Amino acid sequence: EPEVTQTPSHQVTQMGQEVILRCVPISNHLYFYWYRQILGQKVEFLVSFYNNEISEKSEIFDDQFSVERPDGSNFTLKIRSTKLEDSAMYFCASSPPGQGVNEQYFGPGTRLTVT
Amino acid sequence: GQQLNQSPQSMFIQEGEDVSMNCTSSSIFNTWLWYKQDPGEGPVLLIALYKAGELTSNGRLTAQFGITRKDSFLNISASIPSDVGIYFCAGFSGGSNYKLTFGKGTLLTVNP
Repeated sequence: EPEVTQTPSHQVTQMGQEVILRCVPISNHLYFYWYRQILGQKVEFLVSFYNNEISEKSEIFDDQFSVERPDGSNFTLKIRSTKLEDSAMYFCASSPPGQGVNEQYFGPGTRLTVT
Repeated sequence: GQQLNQSPQSMFIQEGEDVSMNCTSSSIFNTWLWYKQDPGEGPVLLIALYKAGELTSNGRLTAQFGITRKDSFLNISASIPSDVGIYFCAGFSGGSNYKLTFGKGTLLTVNP
């Protein structure tokens, strides 16, 4: 069964450094998303992406964040200058076109630790 | 922003028992989804509900989209040890078709 994949599984970085989290969505999906989950808390929406542009973003997704689909398979989240409070699990998700568009399938996550 | 109230926060049951958990909102949701998350992994989609009153099953799991469109429940029948995990409700509201709002989760522990 096709799955969303994410790399790396764990990223440790120093405060102020840039990080890029990578995702490969399910191949026939057209809608892509990033969410984050701070340890022990609920999953929070960051951004959605369709047709090579952001379709919606949350207040968390400020100027330090950006997303890109550099080629036909990858979808990336960049954090320009990481802060301690950026430490969280980051999940990529994707959904198909048509009737199933509301069904978002999540990857295994990248655990980001900012020191 | 939209808030989903999920209850109970946690449940500790014996294998074989049935389980019920629910989500409520102060505003109308257009779609309800139920996910399960195992430790250190991503949420896995269990059931999607699209219409008020809809009742959908997936194996031992049954979920319903409330008539008022402000609530949903998930039942698990005849629980087994591998049902252990955190169950999240999630949904779309307010015209957004992209932003999933999640509940805080129900931690289920099954005692063999």
